[in-house]
Amino acid sequence: GAVVSQHPSWVICKSGTSVKIECRSLDFQATTMFWYRQFPKQSLMLMATSNEGSKATYEQGVEKDKFLINHASLTLSTLTVTSAHPEDSSFYICSATDTNTEAFFGQGTRLTVV
Amino acid sequence: AQSVSQHNHHVILSEAASLELGCNYSYGGTVNLFWYVQYPGQHLQLLLKYFSGDPLVKGIKGFEAEFIKSKFSFNLRKPSVQWSDTAEYFCAVTPYSSASKIIFGSGTRLSIRP
Repeated sequence: GAVVSQHPSWVICKSGTSVKIECRSLDFQATTMFWYRQFPKQSLMLMATSNEGSKATYEQGVEKDKFLINHASLTLSTLTVTSAHPEDSSFYICSATDTNTEAFFGQGTRLTVV
Repeated sequence: AQSVSQHNHHVILSEAASLELGCNYSYGGTVNLFWYVQYPGQHLQLLLKYFSGDPLVKGIKGFEAEFIKSKFSFNLRKPSVQWSDTAEYFCAVTPYSSASKIIFGSGTRLSIRP
């Protein structure tokens, strides 16, 4: 299957700072990428859908000014958590697709805000 | 809006027991259906998927699932579980028109007693 890589795998940051998470499709061009958030022992919640070259579409209840998504190229999307607070601590997962028939997941990024 | 229900939050079985995890979805149109597995400390992996054709789908590691359209169900089965099957299992659905925007169920934690 296709490979999707996230970086970093884990990050610890101070409250009030911003953190950027990268999602790369390594062997295909991802026209669409998705960002999910997973709380401990819970399911993945879709945060937003990003299409290359256009603004992301956010799910209801997700603050677009807090979770900035950029999809500037066909192989890279970034999620920036701005002014992070402890309640933003979570596991963030991206997925990517080129054909809209199947999505491939990254390994996830564990964010801890202290 | 589509949704996915997984009725069993935590299932505990002994090795060699048979497994069936329930999954029901809610969506008025044609859907694609998936089962994903997340082993402890690892990222999501696709177990199997149904797009069309034979409603009995076989996946990796001896898992299978049956799509019953009249019941809006896509239950996961395995005739004989192993200790290594201990993991979190997620049922997921996408509308046929957007097969990569995946909506996940709440997950079922499977614990296998050796």
